[in-house]
Amino acid sequence: NAGVTQTPKFRILKIGQSMTLQCTQDMNHNYMYWYRQDPGMGLKLIYYSVGAGITDKGEVPNGYNVSRSTTEDFPLRLELAAPSQTSVYFCASSYPKGGQGRNTQYFGPGTRLTVL
Amino acid sequence: KQEVTQIPAALSVPEGENLVLNCSFTDSAIYNLQWFRQDPGKGLTSLLLIQSSQREQTSGRLNASLDKSSGRSTLYIAASQPGDSATYLCAVIHSHDMRFGAGTRLTVKP
Repeated sequence: NAGVTQTPKFRILKIGQSMTLQCTQDMNHNYMYWYRQDPGMGLKLIYYSVGAGITDKGEVPNGYNVSRSTTEDFPLRLELAAPSQTSVYFCASSYPKGGQGRNTQYFGPGTRLTVL
Repeated sequence: KQEVTQIPAALSVPEGENLVLNCSFTDSAIYNLQWFRQDPGKGLTSLLLIQSSQREQTSGRLNASLDKSSGRSTLYIAASQPGDSATYLCAVIHSHDMRFGAGTRLTVKP
């Protein structure tokens, strides 16, 4: 298993540009999450999804959108990039589909985004 | 609102020392608590997960304890090694909402 993969690894955007951060997991997890981590801080939840077609806001959803059309993919969309969105973005997944699991979240390697 | 605090923010110890990292949280109605390791420029690696009904978990040289009533968890690292140098994050879990502390940056000097 590749686990949780994220693309791109790095990206520089200009203010007002749009982009999509990709996240894919091959562990058949039904729960997926997007976090952002600012320097010297812990992670903050942006959006999460408990299954295909179901998404919900986390602690800091403003300026972002998500979709979940398949179990494997959970892309994060930035429509109008702002300097405040400069951060490292982590995708995570948890729970085997249909099973109990232990709620351990598995993280991708992150995408480092700079908005200038 | 759940607040998670980790003390100290940074810690430097000589190799071989036993050490304790602290995590406190304000809302004791948690589902689980999880400790992660983060290496510079990398993602998070899960170290230990303690379910709310448990009081501790052990993995190798690591032992994590949980006291829900007082809102505290500790991560004990025995016989520290330079390879343990990293940032350690604790996170409390309410259903699908995971709240992280800012982390403790650990340096183990040879």
